[in-house]
Amino acid sequence: NAGVTQTPKFRVLKTGQSMTLLCAQDMNHEYMYWYRQDPGMGLRLIHYSVGEGTTAKGEVPDGYNVSRLKKQNFLLGLESAAPSQTSVYFCASSPDRIMDEQFFGPGTRLTVL
Amino acid sequence: GNSVTQMEGPVTLSEEAFLTINCTYTATGYPSLFWYVQYPGEGLQLLLKATKADDKGSNKGFEATYRKETTSFHLEKGSVQVSDSAVYFCALSRRGSQGNLIFGKGTKLSVKP
Repeated sequence: NAGVTQTPKFRVLKTGQSMTLLCAQDMNHEYMYWYRQDPGMGLRLIHYSVGEGTTAKGEVPDGYNVSRLKKQNFLLGLESAAPSQTSVYFCASSPDRIMDEQFFGPGTRLTVL
Repeated sequence: GNSVTQMEGPVTLSEEAFLTINCTYTATGYPSLFWYVQYPGEGLQLLLKATKADDKGSNKGFEATYRKETTSFHLEKGSVQVSDSAVYFCALSRRGSQGNLIFGKGTKLSVKP
């Protein structure tokens, strides 16, 4: 099993450009999450999904959109990138919401110039 | 609201030294508590967890005890190794919170030979 994979690993964007980050998991997990990690801030939840076809806002959702068309995939979109979105993005999944372990991907380092 | 506070780093220790990383939390109800570890260039992985008061989580020589009276979940290891160098995150998950994790800001540990 590959676990949780993220594509791409690195990306540099110019202000105003758009992009989509892809997260895929092969563990048949129901729950999936997108976090951003900034220095001195820990991880903050952007959006999450409790199952195929569902999405919900987390702590810092502004400027991002998500979709969960297939159970195994969770996409994070930036429609018009801003320098404040420079960060490391982590995707995670878990079997259910009852205090289970979350499994993290390796991360995507995004720089917006 | 729910929050996690952990000691600021970085923490630098010599090999075989004793490690303590403090973590305290604020939460309504009875959260589950976690320690995650992030090795350089990788995603987070679960180190240990505890789901109720007085539980002790342990893994790879690390331990943490869920102390409800002091709202703490301090991480300890009796003898650290160079390979333990990483960033450690304390986190909580509240029952009914859709499995969302609230993370502390992380503590960077460097172990010198």
